[in-house]
Amino acid sequence: TQLLEQSPQFLSIQEGENLTVYCNSSSVFSSLQWYRQEPGEGPVLLVTVVTGGEVKKLKRLTFQFGDARKDSSLHITAAQPGDTGLYLCAGAYGGATNKLIFGTGTLLAVQP
Amino acid sequence: SAVISQKPSRDICQRGTSLTIQCQVDSQVTMMFWYRQQPGQSLTLIATANQGSEATYESGFVIDKFPISRPNLTFSTLTVSNMSPEDSSIYLCSVGQGLNQPQHFGDGTRLSIL
Repeated sequence: TQLLEQSPQFLSIQEGENLTVYCNSSSVFSSLQWYRQEPGEGPVLLVTVVTGGEVKKLKRLTFQFGDARKDSSLHITAAQPGDTGLYLCAGAYGGATNKLIFGTGTLLAVQP
Repeated sequence: SAVISQKPSRDICQRGTSLTIQCQVDSQVTMMFWYRQQPGQSLTLIATANQGSEATYESGFVIDKFPISRPNLTFSTLTVSNMSPEDSSIYLCSVGQGLNQPQHFGDGTRLSIL
């Protein structure tokens, strides 16, 4: 059974702090996607990483895909209250069917 | 990206009844999926809705409990049958266009069973 473990599960920090969220698996994925979800809404895609070792930046967010395509990290610099939400990694499997297995989730609260 | 509308947004139901959730997309899409999510927790894939044929269910989910229809490339329904309090959850539909492409989600249906 494929499993994506995220750590930490919960994180409460002050505005301006940095943080890193980890997403780990024993399985290899064709790509890994990161989503953020706010209460009452569906998850919204932040980034897709495809190549092992790939690093992508989205303003203050930096995403990295592990060399073996089994793990990923999300680093946020100078967190802001607007970053608050549930962060989910998702690994693509199942070939052309584009099925995703979602990580266990990281609930982030950034206090002003 | 596709705009996805889910109805109803929330409902409170009596145990033993059934509820059908609708998912409408503003453009034709290849893949449609149904997920379940407990508030603040991760998503679990229920099934892939296949246009013109039976849905493909994940382990632990069966057609008798979660019948799914997909009559065309823009619409799908999920029915939660013979509901019990354990079915209280958020149900989300999503759409995708192929390998490594992102999925786009509706805002979900928050279901509570009394």
